[in-house]
Amino acid sequence: DVQLLESGGGLIQPGGSLRLSCAASGFTFRSYEMTWVRQAPGKGLEWVSSISGSGGATYYADSVKGRFIISRDNPNNTLYLHMSSLRAEDTAIYYCAFITPFYFDFWGQGALVTVSS
Amino acid sequence: DIQMTQFPSSLSASVGDRVTITCRASQGIRIDLLWYQQKPGKAPKRLIHAATSLESGVPSRFSGSGSGTEFTLTISSLQPEDSATYYCLQHSSYPQTFGQGTKVEIK
Repeated sequence: DVQLLESGGGLIQPGGSLRLSCAASGFTFRSYEMTWVRQAPGKGLEWVSSISGSGGATYYADSVKGRFIISRDNPNNTLYLHMSSLRAEDTAIYYCAFITPFYFDFWGQGALVTVSS
Repeated sequence: DIQMTQFPSSLSASVGDRVTITCRASQGIRIDLLWYQQKPGKAPKRLIHAATSLESGVPSRFSGSGSGTEFTLTISSLQPEDSATYYCLQHSSYPQTFGQGTKVEIK
């Protein structure tokens, strides 16, 4: 069974940095694009970033470009989101997702990031 | 960037009603559209891929239509368990974009 387990969330002060991790299992991790999606409290879903299977291609929402970096460790089946210069509006549940256009669609349980002083 | 305009933002309907949700893309996205259902406190669940294809295990009362710039999700006979928020997602180009969501309530 596919499992995605996020970790690393927590309370961080504005301007601070945090790294989220997503441990993946149950599929050939290195073969697939991975994605981060977030949801601010009481708000809708927002696509944040995606990375190709090899890690050679990365994509970002305008709202996080230049502040967030997506990366992956294929030998250890782990996806990361390095977040810096955090703002109050980055407060959200961050979901790790394995989404393919036609076949697979799996999401983690989410990690809460709260940016507040 | 492609903008996805989803409407209505909320609706209230009775059990057995036919419900339609629309997503409009700011430019053509072929059929590169997914529909999700999200219940409170849960991760989203995909209902439809490629604009019209029902995911395995999803009740047949859900259907999707459209291509290009106009897409619809229809629930043919609303059930109590369909109370949720629904989102479209375009994956035609980066940045991928969700619609704003439609909250469906049961009268």
